[in-house]
Amino acid sequence: NAGVTQTPKFQVLKTGQSMTLQCAQDMNHEYMSWYRQDPGMGLRLIHYSVGAGITDQGEVPNGYNVSRSTTEDFPLRLLSAAPSQTSVYFCASRTGGVEAFFGQGTRLTVV
Amino acid sequence: AQSVTQLGSHVSVSEGALVLLRCNYSSSVPPYLFWYVQYPNQGLQLLLKYTSAATLVKGINGFEAEFKKSETSFHLTKPSAHMSDAAEYFCAVSFRYSGNTPLVFGKGTRLSVIA
Repeated sequence: NAGVTQTPKFQVLKTGQSMTLQCAQDMNHEYMSWYRQDPGMGLRLIHYSVGAGITDQGEVPNGYNVSRSTTEDFPLRLLSAAPSQTSVYFCASRTGGVEAFFGQGTRLTVV
Repeated sequence: AQSVTQLGSHVSVSEGALVLLRCNYSSSVPPYLFWYVQYPNQGLQLLLKYTSAATLVKGINGFEAEFKKSETSFHLTKPSAHMSDAAEYFCAVSFRYSGNTPLVFGKGTRLSVIA
C-alpha cells in the first residue's frame, strides 16, 4: 500500500521553464489537494479537487494549474516558473472528512 | 471562515520536561481538529485527531491533546520530552459537516529538545 506518491523528490528549474509535479494515491480517496510549505508560513493551499473532473482554487493559486482526470492522479503544473515558486510542495488526499494523508514532498528550486 | 493560530513559532524544552504546544481555532461550526508532526526533510505524519465527543485525545509517541470548546483550543501536550520529539508540529482544522473540504493549517511550531 503506497499511500500518496509524489514525483520528483527534487527539481531545479530555470526561470520561465514549465514542469509538472506528479501526485498519485491508491486509497480511492475523493479529495486531493496541493500545498506549498515556506519557512514561517505553514502550509498554504494551492488547489484542491473533490473528485474526478472537479477542481477549485485555494489560497495561493496564481502560477499553477491542476486537472483531475482520474480519482488516483492529481498533477500540479507550473506554467512559467518564477523564483517565488521556490518551495516544498506537498500533495495530500483524504476522504470522509477525517485526516489527510501526505506525500513525502517535492523540493523545488527556481533559479 | 476557519483559521488556526499556533502560539509560538519555536518552543524549546529540556529532555524530560513537559511539552506544551498551543493551538487555537476559529470555526463557525463544530470542527475536526488535527495535530501533525514533520521531521526534517520528511512529509507530515498524523499525531492525533479530534472528531468526536471524546475531548481528550491520545495520539502516537505519548502525545495527547484536549479539545476545549469554551476556549476554542486544542493544545498538544506530552509529559516528558524526548530528544526524538524535536520536529515541527502543525495544528489543522476542517469543517465537521462539510465532507471533503480543505484542511486549514497553522504556521507551525518548531520544537527543540535540549539534553
